[in-house]
Amino acid sequence: AQSVTQLGSHVSVSEGALVLLRCNYSSSVPPYLFWYVQYPNQGLQLLLKYTSAATLVKGINGFEAEFKKSETSFHLTKPSAHMSDAAEYFCAVLQGAQKLVFGQGTRLTINP
Amino acid sequence: ETGVTQSPTHLIKTRGQQVTLRCSSQSGHNTVSWYQQALGQGPQFIFQYYREEENGRGNFPPRFSGLQFPNYSSELNVNALELDDSALYLCASSRSRGTSTDTQYFGPGTRLTVL
Repeated sequence: AQSVTQLGSHVSVSEGALVLLRCNYSSSVPPYLFWYVQYPNQGLQLLLKYTSAATLVKGINGFEAEFKKSETSFHLTKPSAHMSDAAEYFCAVLQGAQKLVFGQGTRLTINP
Repeated sequence: ETGVTQSPTHLIKTRGQQVTLRCSSQSGHNTVSWYQQALGQGPQFIFQYYREEENGRGNFPPRFSGLQFPNYSSELNVNALELDDSALYLCASSRSRGTSTDTQYFGPGTRLTVL
């Protein structure tokens, strides 16, 4: 069964600094990977997805992620953090044909 | 194009009661998935419906059941509520069943509190 592990339940960065949120996956087949963002009291919004087309995936709001098979990683980055990026971020892998398996989430705090 | 909507926004029930949560899928989507998100956790897959049939189920007991209607809207029913059922319940719709590039679009969720 596929799974994902998010390293760091809480990440804090200064406004304008690099954002790096870590996700490692476990999968016996080529994975389909996703990053979602959840703002307080809201549902999940898709940031980006990897479906084996290109290893560097660009998403919304300036985020991108790189699929590295050798490291079984799919880390999320943004060059310059903005206050509006403060939220909970979830990495997920598609298991079978229906089921998204989510990590525990990483809470991103932006310091002014 | 309207997004995924859910009702109600919040709900308070007591242990042993039954609850029904509703979801309207995004226009053009025929697949609905339900997830439970406990406080401080990632969402957990409950089940998925495709064209009114259950199409996959997670590790949830039978007291969690669902329906999908001809217009592809969906209901999640939970019987004999337990305290641990308190969570945010998320509905997600997608365009078709199970192709790898289908994106699941999430609604805002229903916050259920069981006392």
